[in-house]
This record gives sequence, structure tokens and C-alpha cells, in this order.
Amino acid sequence: DGGITQSPKYLFRKEGQNVTLSCEQNLNHDAMYWYRQDPGQGLRLIYYSQIVNDFQKGDIAEGYSVSREKKESFPLTVTSAQKNPTAFYLCATEAGTDRYNEQFFGPGTRLTVL
Amino acid sequence: GQNIDQPTEMTATEGAIVQINCTYQTSGFNGLFWYQQHAGEAPTFLSYNVLDGLEEKGRFSSFLSRSKGYSYLLLKELQMKDSASYLCAVVDSNYQLIWGAGTKLIIKP
Repeated sequence: DGGITQSPKYLFRKEGQNVTLSCEQNLNHDAMYWYRQDPGQGLRLIYYSQIVNDFQKGDIAEGYSVSREKKESFPLTVTSAQKNPTAFYLCATEAGTDRYNEQFFGPGTRLTVL
Repeated sequence: GQNIDQPTEMTATEGAIVQINCTYQTSGFNGLFWYQQHAGEAPTFLSYNVLDGLEEKGRFSSFLSRSKGYSYLLLKELQMKDSASYLCAVVDSNYQLIWGAGTKLIIKP
């Protein structure tokens, strides 16, 4: 059963704590993305990775970090440096790198920082 | 800067037709996507246009005019399950996706 899993669906953390959101895919897609979604706003790109062991900053990378040690996994760490971390986080994958393809999304993680 | 405009919210009646517009100003153009997103869920792919014209897929159609920087999503025979947000996204010259804020569509019986 192919797909993208993100866990947990809801996550609560105290202010000042780092937290890592997981994203796993078994679609054998090369590219993976992390987006943040806030109410009334479009998706904003945090980080993306087109191949293993390589990733690039998106538009709002400050306060976040990622790793891509294997093709299937692209975890996102929300650090204490992120000033407003409460948001809905979406992980996405894309099949090819030679031309643009549609992105497939995981179910998302809603992070609330108390 | 890059900009995508969509109406914030629209209301329509079950069984009717609704058109959701999207205008864009981006650095280059390599295609336009429409996604559907139900509240609290992930976006799901609806359509992709890269050439001018109308693409029809069942009850949903998407239109593109590159010269006008304009697209619309047309939903026919509206059903209650069509209540969702509809996101327009443009692929720019760097093959990055630029997302609009989305249009929340409310369907009334």
C-alpha cells in the first residue's frame, strides 16, 4: 500500500523545546518537500530535497532543520529558534526530476506549541 | 515579486455550477496546478494545465490563458462533498511551486 505517512497527526510541545516531525514514503519518489500552512495563507516551502544527502532551503527555512539520509525519509525538526511554530505541516513527494510532476501529500501534522 | 490571487471564499448551491478564478504574476511559467483540500486534510491533485485551453475531467474542468496570466476551475453539478478549499499553484521558471492562499468553497443545500 503505497503512500506517505506523517506522524503524529497532532503534536503538542512546550515553548522552547525542539520537536521532530516524521515523513516516510514508499512511493520511490526522488524529491521530498516540507510545507507549512497557516490559516488564510497558501502553502509555504520550508525545505526540499531532490536526492539523498542533499537538501535546499525554501522560503521560510529559519528555525527549521532537515536531513535526508535515506530516500524514504525526510524528517523536519522545528527548533526553539522558530518564533511562531504553531501550524499545520505538510510533507510532499514528487516522482521525477527531469520535468515537473504533481506533488503527493501526506496527511499532515498539526503542531501546537503551548 | 511573485503573486497568485484567488477569491478567499465562495458560496454555491448544491447541483449548481461554480467557477473559481486564479490570476498569477510569476517569474516564468511552467504549468499550473489545481488542488482540492478538505479541512484538516492533505491537498489532493485535481488538474494540471501547461497549454492554453480547457481540460475536462468529469465534473471538474480547468482553463488556462497564459497571455492573460489567468486560470479557472469549473465545478459542475455541485455536491455537498465539494465543500473544500481549492488551491491554485504555478510552477515558475526555477521549477518551484508558488501557491495561492486558496478559495474556500461552501456548498449550501
